[in-house]
Formats: sequence, C-alpha cells, structure tokens
Amino acid sequence: DAGVTQSPTHLIKTRGQQVTLRCSPKSGHDTVSWYQQALGQGPQFIFQYYEEEERQRGNFPDRFSGHQFPNYSSELNVNALLLGDSALYLCASSLRRGSTWGTEAFFGQGTRLTVV
Amino acid sequence: AQSVTQLGSHVSVSEGALVLLRCNYSSSVPPYLFWYVQYPNQGLQLLLKYTSAATLVKGINGFEAEFKKSETSFHLTKPSAHMSDAAEYFCAVSELGAQKLVFGQGTRLTINP
Repeated sequence: DAGVTQSPTHLIKTRGQQVTLRCSPKSGHDTVSWYQQALGQGPQFIFQYYEEEERQRGNFPDRFSGHQFPNYSSELNVNALLLGDSALYLCASSLRRGSTWGTEAFFGQGTRLTVV
Repeated sequence: AQSVTQLGSHVSVSEGALVLLRCNYSSSVPPYLFWYVQYPNQGLQLLLKYTSAATLVKGINGFEAEFKKSETSFHLTKPSAHMSDAAEYFCAVSELGAQKLVFGQGTRLTINP
C-alpha cells in the first residue's frame, strides 16, 4: 500500500506566478483535504474534496483552488503567489461513505513551496 | 468555532523520564481528538485518536492520552522517553471524524541523554 503521495517534494516560484501541487490518496480512500503549514506553525485547513466537489473550505482566499479527479487524486492550485504563501502543503486522505465519516486521516510527506 | 491550545511550545525531558504534552480544546459539539507526530521534513503520523469510546486511549510507540470532558483536555503521556521520541507533536480537534482538523501550534519535544 503506497499511502498518500504528493508531488513535487520541493518547489521554488516567483511572486505572481501560479503553482499546481498534486496528491494521490491512500488506496481505498475517497476524500482529500489540503492543509498549509507555515514554518513553526500547526497545519491550517484549506479545503476538502469529495465526489469531485469542494465540500468544506477554511479561511483562505479564492487564489487557492482545487480539483478532484474520478480516481480520487487531487490538485491544489495557487494563483498570484505571495511571499506569505511559502509553506509546507500537506495532503490528507480519509474515507467517507455517504453520511459516514472516517476517523483517520493519513498525511503525505508534503510539498515545500518557496516563493521568492 | 473549534480551537486547540497546546501549553508549552517546547518541552525537554531526560531519556527514561515521563513525557507529558498538554492539549486543551474548545468545541461546541462532542469532539473527535487526535495526536499527530511530525519528524523533520516529513508529514504527520497519527499517534492516537479519541472517538467517544474509551476515555483512555492507547496509541503507537507507547503513547497514551486521556480525554477529560470536565477539563476540556486531552494530554499526551508516555511513561519513559526514548531518544527516538524527539519530534514535533500536534494536537487536533474535529467535529466530523477526521475531517477539517483544527490543529494546535505544536510542541517540540527534546530528549536529553
């Protein structure tokens, strides 16, 4: 079982550019959540995708958007990058079947984004 | 709104000593509570979770935590620290299972030989 995989592991972008991060969930999981972890801070919830739709969203601007594909993998897109977007971006997968919520979230290794 | 407060951003103990990492939460509904560990340059690994069953929860690597509703606490303990326990520890709360986790600021655990 491959677990949650994220790509790329590291990325350097310039202010104003756009970036796409990718995540493949743990086998059997159908829900993907994205978190931003600034240096020295706890992770903050960005949004969650289930059945190819954004289901929940944290307090992040519209510059942050995402997508979920039929195979449950997901992308996080950030437009008009700011220096403050520099962080570790974590993807977490879990299982939700209808109205039943899973109680375990498995995290990937993260993508370290540096904006210069 | 839910929130988590981890008391002590840095805890240092000697190898073999008791580890106690404090977590207090705020939630308007019965919470799900989690402890995660993060090693340098890695993602988060689940140590243990509380899902309204037993209030004393046992996790991996000898860690355990006790849910105390009256104190709104979920402190993490380990009887005897090992050098390999040195890492960052995060407490998290959720209303809906493992969805939309709200994390604390983290506690860095250092083990002295």
